[in-house]
Amino acid sequence: DAGVTQSPTHLIKTRGQQVTLRCSPKSGHDTVSWYQQALGQGPQFIFQYYEEEERQRGNFPDRFSGHQFPNYSSELNVNALLLGDSALYLCASTLLIADTEAFFGQGTRLTVV
Amino acid sequence: GESVGLHLPTLSVQEGDNSIINCAYSNSASDYFIWYKQESGKGPQFIIDIRSNMDKRQGQRVTVLLNKTVKHLSLQIAATQPGDSAVYFCAEITPPGYSTLTFGKGTMLLVSP
Repeated sequence: DAGVTQSPTHLIKTRGQQVTLRCSPKSGHDTVSWYQQALGQGPQFIFQYYEEEERQRGNFPDRFSGHQFPNYSSELNVNALLLGDSALYLCASTLLIADTEAFFGQGTRLTVV
Repeated sequence: GESVGLHLPTLSVQEGDNSIINCAYSNSASDYFIWYKQESGKGPQFIIDIRSNMDKRQGQRVTVLLNKTVKHLSLQIAATQPGDSAVYFCAEITPPGYSTLTFGKGTMLLVSP
């Protein structure tokens, strides 16, 4: 049973560029949440997708957007990258109705130069 | 806004000792708490959880204590091993959180052989 998988594992982008990160949830899970983890900090909630719609959103600008596909996989898009967007981006999946712990992927390390 | 915080940024122990990692939360409406372990280069890994209708829960070598009166959460690790070295985060879910987690900054646990 595959856990949460994210791609790519590492990425380097230039300021002003756009980036797309991908996540496949754990088998049987229907809800995907994205978190940003700056170095030395705890993860910060970006948004959550369920039934292909954004269900909740944290305190992040509109430059951060996402999508969920019918197979429950998800993408995180960040436009007009800033140096401060450099972080580990984590995807977590859950089964909404079960209301239990989230399972995390290994993350994508994004470096903006 | 309200968030979960930790008292100690770094905890150093000897192998075989018992470790206690503390966490203070400020949102009295939170009803679900989770401890995660994060090793370098990896995503957070679920350790143990507790709901607000409980004050203690035990797992294998780990115990979580919840004191709602003082809004305090602790993680006890028995017979700490070098493999326990990692950053530990407590996280909370506040209704209607729908599995969205609010993390603290984390505590680094260093276990010496």
